[in-house]
Amino acid sequence: DAEITQSPRHKITETGRQVTLACHQTWNHNNMFWYRQDLGHGLRLIHYSYGVHDTNKGEVSDGYSVSRSNTEDLPLTLESAASSQTSVYFCASNGDRGEVSGTDTQYFGPGTRLTVL
Amino acid sequence: LAKTTQPISMDSYEGQEVNITCSHNNIATNDYITWYQQFPSQGPRFIIQGYKTKVTNEVASLFIPADRKSSTLSLPRVSLSDTAVYYCLVVRYGNKLVFGAGTILRVKS
Repeated sequence: DAEITQSPRHKITETGRQVTLACHQTWNHNNMFWYRQDLGHGLRLIHYSYGVHDTNKGEVSDGYSVSRSNTEDLPLTLESAASSQTSVYFCASNGDRGEVSGTDTQYFGPGTRLTVL
Repeated sequence: LAKTTQPISMDSYEGQEVNITCSHNNIATNDYITWYQQFPSQGPRFIIQGYKTKVTNEVASLFIPADRKSSTLSLPRVSLSDTAVYYCLVVRYGNKLVFGAGTILRVKS
């Protein structure tokens, strides 16, 4: 069955280190998204991509970067981890290849809990 | 996109019908109303989406009045496993979802 996976599921790192969170989907979706979820803030959009080599900044993009070299993967990199980036990170995807549908259901991964000490 | 307002939390008992109302006063003609459900330690999951009147699927019903300034998610005969956070979103072509704090539903036995 098609799915979206994230790895690692849990990560502890130190301030200043570079961290990369992986997201992989097997639906062949054009669109992929990264969110963070913190108590009191709901989910907030970090970066998103509408296709290979396309990346866009979301609401809270400072300190994060993404790259899209293929359809299946959108890794999220924290260039220099800060304690304020301790959060739960969710990846999501939607949109069949070649289409951009605004009201299309987004499928979310299981999340990565990141702790920055 | 229109801002949504929904209750912070609700309590219910097993077997009851639960109605969660969402207000979206500034909804535009091209906007749809979508609800997601999130269980602890999981990502959100799509429940239902509608534009006007009533939509029903195997999980829930969505009621939208003619003025579309509010909507009501109805969960029939809830069980303990329906304990989750429920998010009401106004969505439009362009894919970006805006999540609010959601409604924490606690189902008790």
